[in-house]
Amino acid sequence: EAGVTQFPSHSVIEKGQTVTLRCDPISGHDNLYWYRRVMGKEIKFLLHFVKESKQDESGMPNNRFLAERTGGTYSTLKVQPAELEDSGVYFCASSQERGKTGAYEQYFGPGTRLTVT
Amino acid sequence: AQSVTQLGSHVSVSEGALVLLRCNYSSSVPPYLFWYVQYPNQGLQLLLKYTTGATLVKGINGFEAEFKKSETSFHLTKPSAHMSDAAEYFCAVTGGGNKLTFGTGTQLKVEL
Repeated sequence: EAGVTQFPSHSVIEKGQTVTLRCDPISGHDNLYWYRRVMGKEIKFLLHFVKESKQDESGMPNNRFLAERTGGTYSTLKVQPAELEDSGVYFCASSQERGKTGAYEQYFGPGTRLTVT
Repeated sequence: AQSVTQLGSHVSVSEGALVLLRCNYSSSVPPYLFWYVQYPNQGLQLLLKYTTGATLVKGINGFEAEFKKSETSFHLTKPSAHMSDAAEYFCAVTGGGNKLTFGTGTQLKVEL
């Protein structure tokens, strides 16, 4: 079974440019999460999808960030326009639907390291 | 609301020595607690979790953790460190919802 995959693994862009990160969850996982780790700080929650619906987007920093999950499969996270403080590692995770064994186990992808210069 | 405190951003142990990584949490509801490990250039891997039931939980690679409600702690231990244990370890909590709240991480170094 394939794990959570993320693309690209690294991205270096200039301030003001646009970047789109992609996450493919484990097949059959309804829940998809985005997290971010800014250098030296803790991993912070950004948002949570259940299938194609946003369940919780309380962690999204501002309206420069747009997340989508069309069709309830893969998800994209777009940053437009990027600012210096957006640099960090963006993690995606997925989990089973609530009620299933192991529903609270989130499986993480390797992350996308974003550098804004 | 939940929060996690990991004492010690860097811990160094000798190979064969006891590993103890500390985690204290705060939660307004019964917590679910997790330890994740991140090896270099890899994603986060679940080591172990506590949801309900037995307070001493065993995970992969010989690690275990004990949930102590009275101390609001969930410390991670391993009796004998191995060089391959060198990684960054994260404690996380959820209040039964979905989003995880993480500590700042502890970098474990294992020396010969």
